[in-house]
Amino acid sequence: DQQVKQNSPSLSVQEGRISILNCDYTNSMFDYFLWYKKYPAEGPTFLISISSIKDKNEDGRFTVFLNKSAKHLSLHIVPSQPGDSAVYFCAARRSSNTGKLIFGQGTTLQVKP
Amino acid sequence: DTAVSQTPKYLVTQMGNDKSIKCEQNLGHDTMYWYKQDSKKFLKIMFSYNNKELIINETVPNRFSPKSPDKAHLNLHINSLELGDSAVYFCASSQEIVGQERGYTFGSGTRLTVV
Repeated sequence: DQQVKQNSPSLSVQEGRISILNCDYTNSMFDYFLWYKKYPAEGPTFLISISSIKDKNEDGRFTVFLNKSAKHLSLHIVPSQPGDSAVYFCAARRSSNTGKLIFGQGTTLQVKP
Repeated sequence: DTAVSQTPKYLVTQMGNDKSIKCEQNLGHDTMYWYKQDSKKFLKIMFSYNNKELIINETVPNRFSPKSPDKAHLNLHINSLELGDSAVYFCASSQEIVGQERGYTFGSGTRLTVV
C-alpha cells in the first residue's frame, strides 16, 4: 500500500525549458510535503518543502504546488539546467508521526544541453 | 566534514553471514533513521531512534537489530543475511525545528549485496 506515488519513472527536458515532476498521495492526514534530489552514489538531499496550509512555495528556480483536494503536488524547475539531472523523490509526513517520512519511488530527470 | 557518514559504502557478503553497517552524524540532531531502498527504488523506513530511544520499528525481520550507543550513532546489525536483504541502506538524521521543515539529512548509502 504505497501512500506516496510518483507515476512517471523518468522525464527528459531540454535545457532552459520547464521541468514538471508530479506526485500523488492517498493519506489525507499528511500535512507536510518535501522534495529531495539524489545524484548517483549519494544520499538524497533536501530541495524544497511545503506545508498543507499553503498551496505554493518558491525557492529560486524551484516551485512546489500543492493541490489538497486532488491529493497532488508538483515540482516545477525553471529554467532547467543540465546539473538538475538527478532522481527526484517526493515525500510526505504527518506532524504527529514522529518525523516519519513516506517516500515515493522517484522520478529520474534528464536535462539535455 | 561529512554531516552523516555511513560505512562501509559497499558490502558484498554470503548468505547466512552477520554484518553491521555503521552510521554517525555530527549535526547534533536528536533523531536518526535507517531506510532501505529496494529494487523498485522505494525508500522505506526501517527504524527511528530519538536520543537513543527506539521510536519507530516498522515491520522489519528480527534479524535486523539497530543499536544506538549515543545520539550521534545508529548502527544496523543484520544476522543470517538472505538474498532479499540486498539493497541500498540509507542512514539519516533530523532535528525538529518549528517553522523550519527540512526533513532529513541522509548519508550516502551502503550498497549491500548478498550472494
